[in-house]
Amino acid sequence: AQRVTQPEKLLSVFKGAPVELKCNYSYSGSPELFWYVQYSRQRLQLLLRHISRESIKGFTADLNKGETSFHLKKPFAQEEDSAMYYCALSGCSGAGSYQLTFGKGTKLSVIP
Amino acid sequence: EAQVTQNPRYLITVTGKKLTVTCSQNMNHEYMSWYRQDPGLGLRQIYYSMNVEVTDKGDVPEGYKVSRKEKRNFPLILESPSPNQTSLYFCASRVGGLAGGLVETQYFGPGTRLLVL
Repeated sequence: AQRVTQPEKLLSVFKGAPVELKCNYSYSGSPELFWYVQYSRQRLQLLLRHISRESIKGFTADLNKGETSFHLKKPFAQEEDSAMYYCALSGCSGAGSYQLTFGKGTKLSVIP
Repeated sequence: EAQVTQNPRYLITVTGKKLTVTCSQNMNHEYMSWYRQDPGLGLRQIYYSMNVEVTDKGDVPEGYKVSRKEKRNFPLILESPSPNQTSLYFCASRVGGLAGGLVETQYFGPGTRLLVL
């Protein structure tokens, strides 16, 4: 079974401080990992995915297979980064299909 | 414009009164799914569908039904709603779902806020 753990429900940082949102996963195969973001009163949207190795809005995330982690980082937090962040894993469900499993989410609050 | 739409966006109902939340996508996606979002529990998958006439249970299917008669639509049915189904519901779709394929981005609908009294 695949599982995603986000240990922090709430993370508060000051504007300009570094941010790290933690995500650990459990999956026996080779996973596809994503970070989704949900701003207040908006729909969930993809922030980034590990296979793209991209930086979006200053955020990056590196897949560490040894530690089974996919932490989201940003060197300098901005007020507009305040949102709910969800880590997600896509893996084979065993029936030939891929299932997307979400962590419980971390609420990031950036204090001005 | 590529999108996932849900209706209604807001719904207040009473225990036991059957309701349907519609979901439609215009991207010709094979894979569609329903999630509920609750404080402290994040997103949990209710049901998913790999293609027309192919549906399967997610993590929290109890009390829900779905159907996939056409590719673009994936309605969520609550035959006898109860207060514990008060939640924010999201429909989502994406390309594919076959083993060995590249996993594409999942697109989410705007959400349906349901209150069951």
